[in-house]
Amino acid sequence: NAGVTQTPKFRVLKTGQSMTLLCAQDMNHEYMYWYRQDPGMGLRLIHYSVGEGTTAKGEVPDGYNVSRLKKQNFLLGLESAAPSQTSVYFCASSYRGPPTGDQPQHFGDGTRLSIL
Amino acid sequence: AQKVTQAQTEISVVEKEDVTLDCVYETRDTTYYLFWYKQPPSGELVFLIRRNSFDEQNEISGRYSWNFQKSTSSFNFTITASQVVDSAVYFCALSEEKTSYDKVIFGPGTSLSVIP
Repeated sequence: NAGVTQTPKFRVLKTGQSMTLLCAQDMNHEYMYWYRQDPGMGLRLIHYSVGEGTTAKGEVPDGYNVSRLKKQNFLLGLESAAPSQTSVYFCASSYRGPPTGDQPQHFGDGTRLSIL
Repeated sequence: AQKVTQAQTEISVVEKEDVTLDCVYETRDTTYYLFWYKQPPSGELVFLIRRNSFDEQNEISGRYSWNFQKSTSSFNFTITASQVVDSAVYFCALSEEKTSYDKVIFGPGTSLSVIP
């Protein structure tokens, strides 16, 4: 059981380059999330999706786009990378939250992204 | 305003000491969920516990215990007889009914070092 898989695990980009981070889950989860983790900031939600074909903005969506064309995949795109986007990116998924809202999130291992 | 506050940025204890990690949250919802996650040095995020706002019973799981107090909006986590393997960053998180539990807000984390 793979759970949540993120690719790539590491990447170095130059300012202005574009790239896509892929998140895949095999647990048939409805909800998927992209977070970034920076020192002293905890995890901040970038975008999330409550089902196939849906996306919504989180706390820090600027500079990122996402797509959820298939239920099992959630893609995070950087159209023009900036040094401020240097971070560790985590994808997570969970069963549909409502009505109980108590479903824990399952996280991928993270993608370490450096923008030079 | 930060919804989840973890005032302790870093804590160091000697092995076998007890340690309490503080979490204070802010919400206007009467229905919400609180979570604790562990991030060991290897980087993955591991779910530890969830608690809903209507269940104020404290919980104990082995060396771990959680103290939920609505009166002080706190959900503190205690590790008894700490071990080196407990060294990690610990995150407290909140999801609220008003956002349909779609968003999970994380605190900035507390880095715990257990010294042998």
